[in-house]
Amino acid sequence: RKEVEQDPGPFNVPEGATVAFNCTYSNSASQSFFWYRQDCRKEPKLLMSVYSSGNEDGRFTAQLNRASQYISLLIRDSKLSDSATYLCVVTYTGNQFYFGTGTSLTVIP
Amino acid sequence: GAVVSQHPSWVICKSGTSVKIECRSLDFQATTMFWYRQFPKQSLMLMATSNEGSKATYEQGVEKDKFLINHASLTLSTLTVTSAHPEDSSFYICSASIDRRSYNEQFFGPGTRLTVL
Repeated sequence: RKEVEQDPGPFNVPEGATVAFNCTYSNSASQSFFWYRQDCRKEPKLLMSVYSSGNEDGRFTAQLNRASQYISLLIRDSKLSDSATYLCVVTYTGNQFYFGTGTSLTVIP
Repeated sequence: GAVVSQHPSWVICKSGTSVKIECRSLDFQATTMFWYRQFPKQSLMLMATSNEGSKATYEQGVEKDKFLINHASLTLSTLTVTSAHPEDSSFYICSASIDRRSYNEQFFGPGTRLTVL
């Protein structure tokens, strides 16, 4: 079983739409959680950290549910520039990052 | 701040040759660096964790004799793909870790695209 699982998509949504991604993780000892964004043929870039209390950064909202072992990312008012692959990341002790397979998002004009 | 560079950005080599990839933290000291590999349309797979001055810790299924990692200083780690074969063609990405109070943030290099003919 993979450490981190995501729906690979692709998600094709019109501009202005709201879209949500989920990610599940298998190890209950997971310590930290992040969402990264990766553009085609580029390195991943941190989008936001995910906290148990939930956190929001502009149009992006991240939630963590430790009991059910999943994290989510909500994007409101989608922009064309949001088109990318969104990677869920989970860490354990030792600081190793474990990436989900990524969810592909295309925002359509 | 927190910039990580990789060199080369792309390389094409013949089967059987060895390729060295450098990862540098340019404006900070990284106690830990990580090496990942990403095949097309797949996610990043952690290959190994590298700590300065000690042997790297390899993930299950990664051959340590094939992927040699040297972390000689707090700002430089190298990955050498020995006797590369076409199946080693991939996007190799390094990252460097900074200790934060509540978590360790990783900063990624721009990646090295390796093509083995």
